[in-house]
Amino acid sequence: DAGVIQSPRHEVTEMGQEVTLRCKPISGHDYLFWYRQTMMRGLELLIYFNNNVPIDDSGMPEDRFSAKMPNASFSTLKIQPSEPRDSAVYFCASSLQGGNTEAFFGQGTRLTVV
Amino acid sequence: GESVGLHLPTLSVQEGDNSIINCAYSNSASDYFIWYKQESGKGPQFIIDIRSNMDKRQGQRVTVLLNKTVKHLSLQIAATQPGDSAVYFCAENRAGGYNKLIFGAGTRLAVHP
Repeated sequence: DAGVIQSPRHEVTEMGQEVTLRCKPISGHDYLFWYRQTMMRGLELLIYFNNNVPIDDSGMPEDRFSAKMPNASFSTLKIQPSEPRDSAVYFCASSLQGGNTEAFFGQGTRLTVV
Repeated sequence: GESVGLHLPTLSVQEGDNSIINCAYSNSASDYFIWYKQESGKGPQFIIDIRSNMDKRQGQRVTVLLNKTVKHLSLQIAATQPGDSAVYFCAENRAGGYNKLIFGAGTRLAVHP
């Protein structure tokens, strides 16, 4: 398996624009997580899905952020409108048993909002 | 917000020495812990895990110790190598209905030749 695949690797956008980050989890994994990493706040869990259903979105910073998982092999994280403070590295991870087993991380998407 | 904390933000060691990275967690009900390694420009990579019914687990050159009495976790790396230079995170799964990993702030390990 190629692991968790995220795209794009880098995204530079202007403030106010819509940004969509994409993730393909490892085949067979039932859980998918979206994390955001910044120097100030470290790795923050934004939202996670189980069997394509959002379970906990308490980490989503505000209504500008939304996440979907239309099927078992694809998820998106959308920011609309984007702001400079959204600049961060966004990671997608997947696992077999939620928080009770190892989560495998993608390479991340580095987002810069100017 | 909720977080798992770390004692030392940066640890510098000589190549060949043993390294010890520490982590304090706040929820005594947490039942599963993982150490991750993150190299520059990459996502976190699994190193070793431990469940709360154990107090020690060993892997290849790494050992994780869990002290539930004082809510402390440590990662020991034997014969540290330059390739071990990275940021290390501890993560916990908090019991009681949670099913997600919460990460600590991270410790940077710098290995000098």
